[in-house]
Amino acid sequence: GESVGLHLPTLSVQEGDNSIINCAYSNSASDYFIWYKQESGKGPQFIIDIRSNMDKRQGQRVTVLLNKTVKHLSLQIAATQPGDSAVYFCAENIDTNAGKSTFGDGTTLTVKP
Amino acid sequence: DGGITQSPKYLFRKEGQNVTLSCEQNLNHDAMYWYRQDPGQGLRLIYYSQIVNDFQKGDIAEGYSVSREKKESFPLTVTSAQKNPTAFYLCASSFFTGELFFGEGSRLTVL
Repeated sequence: GESVGLHLPTLSVQEGDNSIINCAYSNSASDYFIWYKQESGKGPQFIIDIRSNMDKRQGQRVTVLLNKTVKHLSLQIAATQPGDSAVYFCAENIDTNAGKSTFGDGTTLTVKP
Repeated sequence: DGGITQSPKYLFRKEGQNVTLSCEQNLNHDAMYWYRQDPGQGLRLIYYSQIVNDFQKGDIAEGYSVSREKKESFPLTVTSAQKNPTAFYLCASSFFTGELFFGEGSRLTVL
């Protein structure tokens, strides 16, 4: 079968390297996925989203990949910077009209200078 | 500037007391949500509301209550029936579809 990245609760990278954060979602009916960044003591902030009719979407320094076959989502951050250190959550929407998200467990990214 | 305002930022409660957390938004969003976050964990949905005067239970509604009398406001009451209320509470809003916009959170500690 196809190999996909495992979800890790923590990830440590060197400044300037690329980061890949993985997420497995639970419901094959989910049709809208979002990545959020949460800095310590603050509320999560939107990074990027993707709908189920797409496999890839790019933003500024970030790319989200969606593999519906194995229900896997990944966030790639290019040239990681110290300001990227945070907890990253993926969220799935099972019912787009409700706008109600189910969140993953989160990955804590630490960027070493 | 548009945004979501939660208050208070920090709150201490004695056992057996009810407390109310405030959440106000001026983004003209239809939907509002309350999430609970425990240390090292993800967000769990307590209640959500898609229109005024209507709201639905989320995954962990027991011991909590809400109201939605105005589009801009969605207060959460943590009642004495909530056995383990110490947590970080996050309010969010959104249009009928789309991403969530979060407030800065309220940290509740039970003494």
